Parts: sequence; C-alpha cells; structure tokens
Amino acid sequence: SQQGEEDPQALSIQEGENATMNCSYKTSINNLQWYRQNSGRGLVHLILIRSNEREKHSGRLRVTLDTSKKSSSLLITASRAADTASYFCATGRGSTLGRLYFGRGTQLTVWP
Amino acid sequence: NAGVTQTPKFRVLKTGQSMTLLCAQDMNHEYMYWYRQDPGMGLRLIHYSVGEGTTAKGEVPDGYNVSRLKKQNFLLGLESAAPSQTSVYFCASNQAGASTDTQYFGPGTRLTVL
Repeated sequence: SQQGEEDPQALSIQEGENATMNCSYKTSINNLQWYRQNSGRGLVHLILIRSNEREKHSGRLRVTLDTSKKSSSLLITASRAADTASYFCATGRGSTLGRLYFGRGTQLTVWP
Repeated sequence: NAGVTQTPKFRVLKTGQSMTLLCAQDMNHEYMYWYRQDPGMGLRLIHYSVGEGTTAKGEVPDGYNVSRLKKQNFLLGLESAAPSQTSVYFCASNQAGASTDTQYFGPGTRLTVL
C-alpha cells in the first residue's frame, strides 16, 4: 500500500499566491522527497529532506518535516501558472534498496 | 545523456495479447523500477531490480513479468493482457545507496487494453 498521503487532493489558487501541500506517512523513514508531474509527463524530482532535517529550501520551494507527527509540507511561494502540475510525496526507508513509497498526489492549478 | 527512455509511448492491445515494454537508462544506475499509474491511485510499484540479472516483486506484480539481462535495460512483459492493465506505465532508475535514492523517471507508456 502507498506510504504517503497528500492533502489536499486538489488545490486551486491565483498566480502570486502561496501553495501549501501536506503529506502524512505511517512508518519510519530515512528521507522524504517531493516530485512534480506535468500532465502527460513523467515525474521530476524537486527536493529531498532527510529524517534528521526539519526544513529545507530550494528556490521558491520550502519543505518541512516533522518526524514526530509523521508529516511533511511543501510550500511553493509566489506561484506561477507554470507551477500547475501534480505533486507527489515519496518516502524512502533506507533499508529497502532505493525503493520509494508514493502518495496519491495533489493536483495544483494556478490561474493567471 | 538521454536519461531514462521508454518504448513505446502508446500502445493499444486486445485482451489476451502480449507485449513487452522496454526501459533504457544511460546513467549506469544499479536499481530500476516499473510503476503503473491509475487515476487517483498515485504510483504503484509492479517489479523492481537491484542489479543485472536480479528482479523482485513490488506491490502489484500479478500479470506482469520482468527481466534485467543488461544493466541499462529493464523489460516489462504482459503475457496475456487484460482490461485491468489499462494504465500509464513508468520506468524509473536510481543509484545504489540509501543516501542517493532519488529516482529518475521515463516519460511513460500509455497502454490501453480493449
């Protein structure tokens, strides 16, 4: 079964607004990753946060991880129409030979 | 570098037909994976391989077989296609080591089984 569960399932915002997506998981992890999928395309890695990290930034992306609550959030600041995509969290357990466990994703729509 | 490529991009099969999906990567990665993606279901792991000549079952292996005869290639076979196998199939790869398990994905194969 999937490891991560994203919330909300769909998010619709205006350009310039911030977008926040959440991910919850059930078991111990080694790291948590966020991926982006444009319509009809493969997934592209965005950012990875390790289990001993609490926050990480990359450009307009900010990821937080709370291992006590088994949850993570992805914040996209100053959203653009080009950010419209599905976003997936995936957890890595370290012991399972590179396997990742994906959630069902959040569909983000950014209106111009 | 082409990264991860998948062949074919689209395919329509009739129930009972067989086919093979090819995944190739030029990054010298040890690990390769086959996923299927269905609406509202995220990605589900079908089979994976941790090295040439090795394969293992994922979450949803029934009805599929795989082979990893060469390090750069990972083949997914459907022996007798069923409508339930209509899906988008993604291949991914990554390098060995828990600290580098970021996966690199191919563009996908859209399969329809009638």
